[in-house]
Amino acid sequence: RKEVEQDPGPFNVPEGATVAFNCTYSNSASQSFFWYRQDCRKEPKLLMSVYSSGNEDGRFTAQLNRASQYISLLIRDSKLSDSATYLCVGTLGAGSYQLTFGKGTKLSVIP
Amino acid sequence: EAGVTQSPTHLIKTRGQQATLRCSPISGHTSVYWYQQALGLGLQFLLWYDEGEERNRGNFPPRFSGRQFPNYSSELNVNALELEDSALYLCASSLGGIGKNIQYFGAGTRLSVL
Repeated sequence: RKEVEQDPGPFNVPEGATVAFNCTYSNSASQSFFWYRQDCRKEPKLLMSVYSSGNEDGRFTAQLNRASQYISLLIRDSKLSDSATYLCVGTLGAGSYQLTFGKGTKLSVIP
Repeated sequence: EAGVTQSPTHLIKTRGQQATLRCSPISGHTSVYWYQQALGLGLQFLLWYDEGEERNRGNFPPRFSGRQFPNYSSELNVNALELEDSALYLCASSLGGIGKNIQYFGAGTRLSVL
């Protein structure tokens, strides 16, 4: 079983739509989680950290469910500029500083 | 403040040659990570250096090696290049330490093996 698993998509949504991505992780001891965004042929960039209490940054909301070992990302009012691959990321386990990356979910927002 | 910088941007080599890729972390960051991203695939972890020491290594053959210098910059060496080594090689840096593991990426070196 892969350490971090995501639906690869692609998700094709119209502008203004709400879209949600889920990600599951295998190591219950993993401590830190993040969402990164990667544009085509570019480097990944940190989108947001994910906290147990849930956190919001503008149109983006991230949630962590430790009991079910999944992380979600919700994007409201999708913009064309949101088109990218979204990477779910977590630490390998307790006390680990090393991040493990999911393969990413591709989002295309269409006019 | 400068971000993570990588050089060269592009590198073209032939099978059997050696490639050297370089990375300068964000000022103050002590950890450097190397990843391989083949076209259309996810990030594959290669190496992690912290304070000059190799901390962990991904599932890659020994011909992938590297080092970290006293100024925390890093070098990735790939010996005996094979066609399937063609990929984007990404370097990331972080502060290191508990709770400081957010990684910031450079723009990458695109290696083409002919």
